[in-house]
Order: sequence, then structure tokens, then C-alpha cells
Amino acid sequence: DSGVTQTPKHLITATGQRVTLRCSPRSGDLSVYWYQQSLDQGLQFLIQYYNGEERAKGNILERFSAQQFPDLHSELNLSSLELGDSALYFCASSAAGGRAETQYFGPGTRLLVL
Amino acid sequence: GEDVEQSLFLSVREGDSSVINCTYTDSSSTYLYWYKQEPGAGLQLLTYIFSNMDMKQDQRLTVLLNKKDKHLSLRIADTQTGDSAIYFCAERGAGNMLTFGGGTRLMVKP
Repeated sequence: DSGVTQTPKHLITATGQRVTLRCSPRSGDLSVYWYQQSLDQGLQFLIQYYNGEERAKGNILERFSAQQFPDLHSELNLSSLELGDSALYFCASSAAGGRAETQYFGPGTRLLVL
Repeated sequence: GEDVEQSLFLSVREGDSSVINCTYTDSSSTYLYWYKQEPGAGLQLLTYIFSNMDMKQDQRLTVLLNKKDKHLSLRIADTQTGDSAIYFCAERGAGNMLTFGGGTRLMVKP
């Protein structure tokens, strides 16, 4: 158990809908990362937050957004969902987001768009 | 851009050693990681190596890094059926994000 929690574990929805994925980092960690794992794209970095502020952005679509709240939990919002958004979404956390730090991953949220 | 490559599949017999290979392109990589993913589960950090090291050993795991060739390997000694999983190599380059390889599926036959 990494100490990173993600809810829900599974999510089934329809095209055009909007969903919110939630992540709670390990106790004391200030930085949260979101990754997407799909069959065709593999594991890709989406976005990083540090203490409430966006720090780095990867291959995140404009239909997707994220935020980190004062209690340090983070939410990833996916809107206007398409079939191709079906994937496993991972959250990871690290202490301060620095280059020397290890990222610990949560169990993921499996999203299926029908 | 950054690119990390791994072979897709490896099959070994229980008790043998497994060697999973990875190549990367980003010469500014500072840390390189190995993660394990079991079916339906998240990513479990196995080990990591700093780019100024050649080797790191952690119980049954040995990581070798050839920085000149940008080649990383993970050796699992005395492989067990419980080691069957997908193994991902990842590099941390100039940014804080990790760039992952496509994963190597390890199958351990009894």
C-alpha cells in the first residue's frame, strides 16, 4: 500500500459526459501528479500540482482539467468524454515535487466510456 | 524528445534469473526507476538508480546502468511465480514528470 488513495476505483459513463476523479496524496506529500494509462498510448504524464499550484503540464487535453485543494487532495476533471478517453488514470504523490524525489502511485481509477 | 523503449515480453522458468532491458534517449536523465504492475493493480515502485551510479543491488533485484549506451537493466534473481507482472522502466529528465517505457510482461513458468 503506497498511501495514495484514489476514488472511485471504477467508473462507467457515456460519451459526452463529465466525470471527476479524486486523489488523496500520502500524508505530508505536497505534490500530486496525474498519469493516464491506455492501450495505445501507454503511460503518459498529464499534469503536476505542488501545494495548490500547477507546476508542470504534459499531454493533457484541453477537455481535461485538474486542481489541488488546500487539504492537498486533487481532482482530475474529464469533460466531453470520448471513447478514446477510456483508460486507467493514476495519481502519484511526492514530498515536495523535486527532481530527487520518488513518486508513489495510487491504485488508479479505471474509466470506461461507452 | 524523450523516449523509453522496452521489449514486450519475457518468459522464464521459476528459479531462473530474469533480465529486463530498457533503453532511453534523454541524456539529462537524473533518476531511472523500475515499477511493477500486477493485473488490476497500481504501480509499485521496485527500485531506482541515480544516473551517476553503475549498479544498485536490493535483495533479489540488481539494476545495471550503462549511461554511455543509455541502457538500463533489471535482474531478478531466483524468479518466482509471484514475480509475474508487467515491469515498467521510467526516466526522470529535465522536468519532474516520469517518462515510461511500454512495459515488459514477465511470465514465470512453474
